[in-house]
Amino acid sequence: AAGVIQSPRHLIKEKRETATLKCYPIPRHDTVYWYQQGPGQDPQFLISFYEKMQSDKGSIPDRFSAQQFSDYHSELNMSSLELGDSALYFCASSVGLAGPASSSYNEQFFGPGTRLTVL
Amino acid sequence: AQTVTQSQPEMSVQEAETVTLSCTYDTSESNYYLFWYKQPPSRQMILVIRQEAYKQQNATENRFSVNFQKAAKSFSLKISDSQLGDTAMYFCAFDMRFGAGTRLTVKP
Repeated sequence: AAGVIQSPRHLIKEKRETATLKCYPIPRHDTVYWYQQGPGQDPQFLISFYEKMQSDKGSIPDRFSAQQFSDYHSELNMSSLELGDSALYFCASSVGLAGPASSSYNEQFFGPGTRLTVL
Repeated sequence: AQTVTQSQPEMSVQEAETVTLSCTYDTSESNYYLFWYKQPPSRQMILVIRQEAYKQQNATENRFSVNFQKAAKSFSLKISDSQLGDTAMYFCAFDMRFGAGTRLTVKP
């Protein structure tokens, strides 16, 4: 079965550079979520999109932006990178919203993650 | 604010024995879903089990079961007949929020 695809899998950047992470959801999934997991940390929710509109916002820094495109893939744009941005970035997808706003259960399927290292 | 708390940073269990991982949460919602995720060394996030708060019956998935106490806002995970492959970080999650995780080691 098709899974969530994230690219690149590994990325190395210098401080103050920019990075773009891509997420391709499972076919027919219309919702995408972004998470950041620092070393030894739990995943922190950044932002989510449902039907190409932002649906929820978590602890996403102002230096980061994201969008969901017409084909439902999503990109996380990160500017002015800092050492503290080094982390594993997960994307997850679901059919419909997963959370209190949803009226039914919509499981999130996680991608393999992109490991970002900022030097 | 909605929070998820896992108070056991590390646990270990002998192979074939049973272990219980604890999780508490806080919410003002009346219906919601709770999840346990497993994150092995590969760091892939894998859904282990889910529970709908509306349902009284505890969820069970093969060797994994939960003890859901809605009034106490408690959601513990029981792993029976532990296997070496169960060694991983386990995260309790509610909405898009994760607990700090419990590192479980299954010893041969």
